[in-house]
Amino acid sequence: AQSVTQLDSHVSVSEGTPVLLRCNYSSSYSPSLFWYVQHPNKGLQLLLKYTSAATLVKGINGFEAEFKKSETSFHLTKPSAHMSDAAEYFCVVSVLGGSYIPTFGRGTSLIVHP
Amino acid sequence: NAGVTQTPKFQVLKTGQSMTLQCAQDMNHNSMYWYRQDPGMGLRLIYYSASEGTTDKGEVPNGYNVSRLNKREFSLRLESAAPSQTSVYFCASSEWGRDVNEQFFGPGTRLTVL
Repeated sequence: AQSVTQLDSHVSVSEGTPVLLRCNYSSSYSPSLFWYVQHPNKGLQLLLKYTSAATLVKGINGFEAEFKKSETSFHLTKPSAHMSDAAEYFCVVSVLGGSYIPTFGRGTSLIVHP
Repeated sequence: NAGVTQTPKFQVLKTGQSMTLQCAQDMNHNSMYWYRQDPGMGLRLIYYSASEGTTDKGEVPNGYNVSRLNKREFSLRLESAAPSQTSVYFCASSEWGRDVNEQFFGPGTRLTVL
């Protein structure tokens, strides 16, 4: 079985300040982890993914995430927020050899103030 | 490549009416999914198809049926629409095999049931 918890439903930052979106997971097997972004009235787009290679994963638009097995975490970070980063972010866990169903977190809404 | 396409983009139904949401992907993926997205609920899986010729229920299948018409197309049918089915519906596809791969999402269908 697998599950994922996004610890904040909303995160508010000022433009130019760092972004931290938190995600914890649980999995019976080695997980693959993903972050997706959804801009208003759009579909979801992959930001980055971890699939058992390097634990620090770089994605699009300056985002990165670090897989920490000991903490069962996969937090998303960005050094400097931009207004265009305002969106909904989803953390997702999948397990190779498990079901064909990825498990989604409930999402974190990132608000960026000028 | 168009990726994942969905039709229609918007739809308004009256209670009791039926309709079919269409989804097609041109990436030769084996797995396809239907989700609904409601405020504060994240994405909830309605049905999925692990491969051509198979379909399975997800978390919220009641009131819906699906057809995997061929490898490209996966349709979602509402036989008798209810106001509780007002939502945004997303179709997704992925290649599930030796590696766990990301899902690709369509732009969504915004459905209102009056």
